[in-house]
Amino acid sequence: GENVEQHPSTLSVQEGDSAVIKCTYSDSASNYFPWYKQELGKRPQLIIDIRSNVGEKKDQRIAVTLNKTAKHFSLHITETQPEDSAVYFCAASKNYGQNFVFGPGTRLSVLP
Amino acid sequence: DTAVSQTPKYLVTQMGNDKSIKCEQNLGHDTMYWYKQDSKKFLKIMFSYNNKELIINETVPNRFSPKSPDKAHLNLHINSLELGDSAVYFCASSQELSRALHTIYFGEGSWLTVV
Repeated sequence: GENVEQHPSTLSVQEGDSAVIKCTYSDSASNYFPWYKQELGKRPQLIIDIRSNVGEKKDQRIAVTLNKTAKHFSLHITETQPEDSAVYFCAASKNYGQNFVFGPGTRLSVLP
Repeated sequence: DTAVSQTPKYLVTQMGNDKSIKCEQNLGHDTMYWYKQDSKKFLKIMFSYNNKELIINETVPNRFSPKSPDKAHLNLHINSLELGDSAVYFCASSQELSRALHTIYFGEGSWLTVV
């Protein structure tokens, strides 16, 4: 089955700096890669996603890049703000149900 | 107007008890899920269910059973609770709009503590 790894597990950056979180996946048939943000005590919420036929997608300060050949994808957050502090999860999927696999999460701390 | 709602939000119970967590989605989605998030924040799928099939993660003990009275509801019943069952349980739902496009929307979570 699919296996998703995520690095780093924790990341601290100064406010205004950029943050990058990387994920790798094992199943070459996976073709959908969402990112979720989970603030303390709250539910994971979708922040951006990318399909396998696209190499990069951007939404204001966040962007995701995908390298299908290498089977890795990354989340980029620019001009970080304290409210970006949260746990971020990547996921990979090729179908619903058991094939939707989350990475172990990255705890991002943005220091003022 | 919550899209995926689950109750209770907090539950403290003794070992050996049986408990249920209810989930309802008003998004008209076809598929619903239960995820378990442990103290290390790992999100592990337990079940996925639509009107066609129930898929069970093989690592889930059979003390856990999903029950779906209709498409909009997927309840989680847990028998003989153990200390290790303490976690946050998230209900979620998704709609397969096209192949592989089925973003998952989570409920607010149910914090289960077994003492």
